[in-house]
Amino acid sequence: AQSVSQHNHHVILSEAASLELGCNYSYGGTVNLFWYVQYPGQHLQLLLKYFSGDPLVKGIKGFEAEFIKSKFSFNLRKPSVQWSDTAEYFCAVMGALYNQGGKLIFGQGTELSVKP
Amino acid sequence: DTAVSQTPKYLVTQMGNDKSIKCEQNLGHDTMYWYKQDSKKFLKIMFSYNNKELIINETVPNRFSPKSPDKAHLNLHINSLELGDSAVYFCASSQADRTNYGYTFGSGTRLTVV
Repeated sequence: AQSVSQHNHHVILSEAASLELGCNYSYGGTVNLFWYVQYPGQHLQLLLKYFSGDPLVKGIKGFEAEFIKSKFSFNLRKPSVQWSDTAEYFCAVMGALYNQGGKLIFGQGTELSVKP
Repeated sequence: DTAVSQTPKYLVTQMGNDKSIKCEQNLGHDTMYWYKQDSKKFLKIMFSYNNKELIINETVPNRFSPKSPDKAHLNLHINSLELGDSAVYFCASSQADRTNYGYTFGSGTRLTVV
């Protein structure tokens, strides 16, 4: 079955703390991987994506993620969080083949709360 | 200019009514989608269209009917609304050629059925 699992439902950090959000997926075949962020009351914005090549991917706002194929993981990291990073974070997987229709399969989301 | 725009932003309606949500994208993308985000913020695809052709139709009740008059528009019509239909509905669009990735979401329509 195709699925994405995010390890943490709710993470609370103080400003300047380091962040790592876990994501594991189950999917038969080659995948593309994504992290999206949803600020309160807003739409989803792409943080970063992995299609191929260097498994360490850098995104916007200082976020990065590492694809570890052997572990089916795509964890999100940020060395020092800010209060403005408070949001919901979604990991997602998509089949890499064109004929798979571009369907994104999302994890259940991780709510990040950053205390000033 | 808004890349993917949805209307209305909020929709409150009674059970049994029929309602529509409209979506338009000005990115020139070939594929458009509807996703549903439930009260626990779980996101799941409902439909996708590529150049007006239905590509993905997940297990969605027949009361939901998407319509794509052209590749820039994908509307969602819902018949006989039920309480469980209350959710946020996101439209999205993407390039078919995902080497030039452009998967963009609209701002969402919060549907409340009372």
